Amino acid sequence: QVQLVQSGAEVKKPGASVRVSCKASGYSFTGYYIHWVRQAPGQGLDWMGWINPTTGGTNSPQKFQGRVTMTRDTSIGTAYMELTSLTSDDTAVYYCLRGGQLVASSSFDSWGQGTLVRVCS
Amino acid sequence: IVLTQSPGTLSLSPGERASLSCRASQTIGSSYFAWYQQKPGQAPRLLIYATSYRATGIPDRFSGRGSGTDFTLTISRLEPEDFAVYYCQQYTSSPLTFGGGTKVEIK
Repeated sequence: QVQLVQSGAEVKKPGASVRVSCKASGYSFTGYYIHWVRQAPGQGLDWMGWINPTTGGTNSPQKFQGRVTMTRDTSIGTAYMELTSLTSDDTAVYYCLRGGQLVASSSFDSWGQGTLVRVCS
Repeated sequence: IVLTQSPGTLSLSPGERASLSCRASQTIGSSYFAWYQQKPGQAPRLLIYATSYRATGIPDRFSGRGSGTDFTLTISRLEPEDFAVYYCQQYTSSPLTFGGGTKVEIK
């Protein structure tokens, strides 16, 4: 079955960077976009962008541009999301999601378990 | 595109019918609208995609409809496991956006 397994929780200081990994299994990694979404404590869902695992091309909304980098390693079926210049506002659970088959915009039928990133001094 | 969900909280009893609304600030293509369920401590789960298609394994008490800027998720008879937070999502244009959520709680 389709599974997305994320790396463990992180605690970071303000100004630091964090990298979250997302290992996919149960399907062809290069056949589906990977998206990232975050959820601050008690809040809603905030889309952070996508990566095309085949080409490595990415897209993210303006609010994250310059701070978020999405990459992938097709040899191990893993996607990565790095967020820089962390502030307390970045404290959230970060999810990777399986998106559409060869389409960028889609609903999300599989989600990782989430990675809690806490930013505190 | 801003998605506004209402009500913020819905207090109902098991067996009752739930109707959740999501209104968009711009027209959304009906093929590009989804609903998710999230329980405490869990990742969201896809319920409905393309406005009215149930995702794999989703029981038929869940149904979606709508067009343009107004979309609705209906749960015909609430089961105990249905009490959760529900989010709508549009993927007609970037940035992809979610609504703020509707909490369905036990009355």
